[in-house]
Amino acid sequence: SQTIHQWPATLVQPVGSPLSLECTVEGTSNPNLYWYRQAAGRGLQLLFYSVGIGQISSEVPQNLSASRPQDRQFILSSKKLLLSDSGFYLCAWSSEGSQPQHFGDGTRLSIL
Amino acid sequence: GENVEQHPSTLSVQEGDSAVIKCTYSDSASNYFPWYKQELGKRPQLIIDIRSNVGEKKDQRIAVTLNKTAKHFSLHITETQPEDSAVYFCAAEGFQKLVFGTGTRLLVSP
Repeated sequence: SQTIHQWPATLVQPVGSPLSLECTVEGTSNPNLYWYRQAAGRGLQLLFYSVGIGQISSEVPQNLSASRPQDRQFILSSKKLLLSDSGFYLCAWSSEGSQPQHFGDGTRLSIL
Repeated sequence: GENVEQHPSTLSVQEGDSAVIKCTYSDSASNYFPWYKQELGKRPQLIIDIRSNVGEKKDQRIAVTLNKTAKHFSLHITETQPEDSAVYFCAAEGFQKLVFGTGTRLLVSP
């Protein structure tokens, strides 16, 4: 069966520090991969998605970037975090756009 | 591109009552409509989905209906229980992604 792993579960970072969140999927090949951010009490904001290695689509311009160095690995990065980057970051995968997305457990990021 | 609107934003019911959450979408080419439940501090989890070739789908106490002509779909929860309290998100198929509604906070009071 397929599983999705996200780490770390929680992260506290100072303003201006770099960020790297990693997501990996097991049990499937060539998945679509997604990064979402969720502010407290708010909806799901799609940040990036990828339909293949090296293919990244950005939904919202900001100081974040994403990379997909391997088929089942998706990384979210920032060179300098802002206070507004705080939130709950969720990675998800699907077999294609018209199929269910399955979410990881998320990373709760606090910026101080 | 696809746009999804979801109502109400908050819904309070008594245990045992029914709850209905409604969503509308804009892209008539969309054919896939999932619903997710997110408990506090947890990840969203798929609870039911429907495709455009059917008008209704049921799974125990939850059901989803789809009206393609009117471009709206609804989640129905019968005999609500306190453990149904959560945020529910609808979504519609976009290009290589899902477009989510803004969520409905359902509170079921004992």
